[in-house]
Amino acid sequence: DIQMTQSPSSLSASVGDRVTITCRASQDITDYLAWFQQKPGKAPKSLIYAASSLHSGVPSKFSGSGSGTDFTLTISGLQPEDFATYYCQQYNGYPLTFGGGTKVEIK
Amino acid sequence: EVQLVESGGGLVQPGGSLRLSCAASGFTFSTYAMSWVRQAPEKGLEWVSAISDSADNTYYADSVRGRFTISRDNSKNTLYLQMNSLRAEDTAIYYCAKAKYYSNSLLRSLGASDYWGQGTLVTVSS
Repeated sequence: DIQMTQSPSSLSASVGDRVTITCRASQDITDYLAWFQQKPGKAPKSLIYAASSLHSGVPSKFSGSGSGTDFTLTISGLQPEDFATYYCQQYNGYPLTFGGGTKVEIK
Repeated sequence: EVQLVESGGGLVQPGGSLRLSCAASGFTFSTYAMSWVRQAPEKGLEWVSAISDSADNTYYADSVRGRFTISRDNSKNTLYLQMNSLRAEDTAIYYCAKAKYYSNSLLRSLGASDYWGQGTLVTVSS
């Protein structure tokens, strides 16, 4: 199975900050990577697929980059509604596997 | 508006069975692959199973293979997950998710899932 490692596992940031979350795959997954946002008690929300493509309705303050084994999710101009846990997921092979999550908290 | 509504969760004893449903609306269900993803209490997300639009192809995580069966009824716009021989470690919220077609590959489409249901809680305990 392909292992996905996210870092950091948590971070504290202020409203207006730009934050970057990293996701590393245990092998080359080209650009078959997705990002999800999950707020407490809620279902995940799909943000990005194919490493950098935004799903419909996702604001442009979210951006993704990377290929191969190293990927990043960047949130520009952090707003109160962005405080949540973020997960990456690879879909280069079965089983689909998720990273452990990055909790973005208010400083 | 796309809607996915899971149901069927509850408390079940170890070794028991449960069938989850995911009722879909707002899109042509029969033309999209679907997945189940679960989340144990205070844990991360775990992909469980997936099925192609016509149900010709099904896929499972090793942790559930042989115990869980994914299926769908396109005439009822409903996705199912039959769970047998349940274990304490199957305790989780189970979400269904809709694939997004941006590739001819089923795997790519499943990975790019764009909509999720609200989840249904399964608790396996004596």
